[in-house]
Amino acid sequence: DAKTTQPNSMESNEEEPVHLPCNHSTISGTDYIHWYRQLPSQGPEYVIHGLTSNVNNRMASLAIAEDRKSSTLILHRATLRDAAVYYCIRVGGSEKLVFGKGTKLTVNP
Amino acid sequence: NAGVMQNPRHLVRRRGQEARLRCSPMKGHSHVYWYRQLPEEGLKFMVYLQKENIIDESGMPKERFSAEFPKEGPSILRIQQVVRGDSAAYFCASSVPGQGIYGYTFGSGTRLTVV
Repeated sequence: DAKTTQPNSMESNEEEPVHLPCNHSTISGTDYIHWYRQLPSQGPEYVIHGLTSNVNNRMASLAIAEDRKSSTLILHRATLRDAAVYYCIRVGGSEKLVFGKGTKLTVNP
Repeated sequence: NAGVMQNPRHLVRRRGQEARLRCSPMKGHSHVYWYRQLPEEGLKFMVYLQKENIIDESGMPKERFSAEFPKEGPSILRIQQVVRGDSAAYFCASSVPGQGIYGYTFGSGTRLTVV
């Protein structure tokens, strides 16, 4: 049980921002929120993670709700290379990742 | 600084043969995780190992599948007497102990086809 809820698919246009939502209403206080993405025919790729505060890195930003029951991955300017399945995962003490179905992002030129 | 290396990238086996999949973790990583992705499905956890020890094998099928991570050399996922249903992509990830909460690095996977 992935214990996160994501839309099955989303669509964006190239060079526009993309907001990928994730619901994790039963998250515990010590669980981190991780995002990974999987491009076609490739292994999962780490994108970003956070605990309570919003986070930025060269790939994306992660906005975490104040109650931590949801988060949003933000791609500031989508490119065709960002077309992938994006997974939102709670990571706790067991140190294993439990993948859900993720959100398939389509980027239109 | 090489990432997680998996080989072979593609493996074809006839039903009943054995498949051996190898995973070399990133330098300095002593924990390895194996995942399986069946066609058109999500990734499923199989097993979590540290050198010479299996930490969690709750996702491993009870029969025909085994995994090891010896003191020297890569981690091996072994599938005996393969069947068509074993056809899938197998991914390996590695981490530093206790650092998995900061992110895992995955390999490019081995795509097993059973004919």
